[in-house]
Amino acid sequence: GENVEQHPSTLSVQEGDSAVIKCTYSDSASNYFPWYKQELGKRPQLIIDIRSNVGEKKDQRIAVTLNKTAKHFSLHITETQPEDSAVYFCAASSGGSYIPTFGRGTSLIVHP
Amino acid sequence: DADVTQTPRNRITKTGKRIMLECSQTKGHDRMYWYRQDPGLGLRLIYYSFDVKDINKGEISDGYSVSRQAQAKFSLSLESAIPNQTALYFCATSDPGRNGNTIYFGEGSWLTVV
Repeated sequence: GENVEQHPSTLSVQEGDSAVIKCTYSDSASNYFPWYKQELGKRPQLIIDIRSNVGEKKDQRIAVTLNKTAKHFSLHITETQPEDSAVYFCAASSGGSYIPTFGRGTSLIVHP
Repeated sequence: DADVTQTPRNRITKTGKRIMLECSQTKGHDRMYWYRQDPGLGLRLIYYSFDVKDINKGEISDGYSVSRQAQAKFSLSLESAIPNQTALYFCATSDPGRNGNTIYFGEGSWLTVV
């Protein structure tokens, strides 16, 4: 089955800095890569996703890049704000079931 | 707002007791899931169901069972709870045909086994 590795497990930045979270996957058939954000005490919610036919996708201050050859994808957050503090999960899934396998999560702390 | 509702939200139970976590959804989605969240281990899939007659084991199904009572209802049971089942449990839904592949999580159920 799919295996998703996520790094780092904790990331501490100053407000205004950029943050990058990296994930690798093992199954070359995976073609859908969502990212979820879980604020403290809340449920995970989708923030951005990318499909394997696209190399990069942006939505305001967040962007995701995908390197299919190397089987890794990354979340980039620019101009971080305290409200970006949360746990971020990457996931990978393949066509057919599209059931995601999640990474272990990254706790992002943005210091004011 | 259409949502995914879990009950109970918090429960403390004793080792060996049977406990059921219930989930209902008003999103009209066919697919339902149960995940377990532990610190540092991410979200792990326990069971999933693509429709009322379809139940599948996830990566950590041992010690758990499920029932899909209706399209909108999916319950998780721990037949004989043990302390290492202490965790945050999420019910979730998705409908790839209509909303892409987004997983919609419930608010979570904290379970403590003492």
